[in-house]
Amino acid sequence: DAGVIQSPRHEVTEMGQEVTLRCKPISGHNSLFWYRQTMMRGLELLIYFNNNVPIDDSGMPEDRFSAKMPNASFSTLKIQPSEPRDSAVYFCASSLLRSFEQYFGPGTRLTVT
Amino acid sequence: GEDVEQSLFLSVREGDSSVINCTYTDSSSTYLYWYKQEPGAGLQLLTYIFSNMDMKQDQRLTVLLNKKDKHLSLRIADTQTGDSAIYFCAESIRGGSQGNLIFGKGTKLSVKP
Repeated sequence: DAGVIQSPRHEVTEMGQEVTLRCKPISGHNSLFWYRQTMMRGLELLIYFNNNVPIDDSGMPEDRFSAKMPNASFSTLKIQPSEPRDSAVYFCASSLLRSFEQYFGPGTRLTVT
Repeated sequence: GEDVEQSLFLSVREGDSSVINCTYTDSSSTYLYWYKQEPGAGLQLLTYIFSNMDMKQDQRLTVLLNKKDKHLSLRIADTQTGDSAIYFCAESIRGGSQGNLIFGKGTKLSVKP
């Protein structure tokens, strides 16, 4: 199995631009999680989906952030417009429903200048 | 609210034992976890313990849980340079496996030869 796939691995963009991060979960997994990791705040859960339905988006920092999961094999996290304080590593993770083990992707390192 | 606290750094010599400590706040946590993050990679589940257990051993890893003090520790015996990584303590909330994990900020373990 290829594991959780994230793209791009690195993204550098200018303030005000739209950024789209992509995630392909492990085939057969039906829970998907988006996290953000920074030195200051550590690892924060942004949103998670069960069976493609958003369950808890209370961690999404503000309306500039949105996430979708149009099908079981694909999810996006969009930031529009991006700001320098959004610079972080964004992780996607997936798991089987009711499993305690989340499988993390390699992350997308986002730099907003 | 829920919070998980860890010390940020630990340095040991190769061959020594490492002990990484963690405190958590949610007394209803069903599962507690240790994840490992190697440089440039996502988190990987290392081990976990159910809240009705006091100890769990898995090869070089020993997890100790003190529910009364809400204290969790991870002991790595015979620490090797390959164990150098960031170790995250995490607790599950709201009945656990289906949703939210609260992570600590991570303890960076440095192993000196």
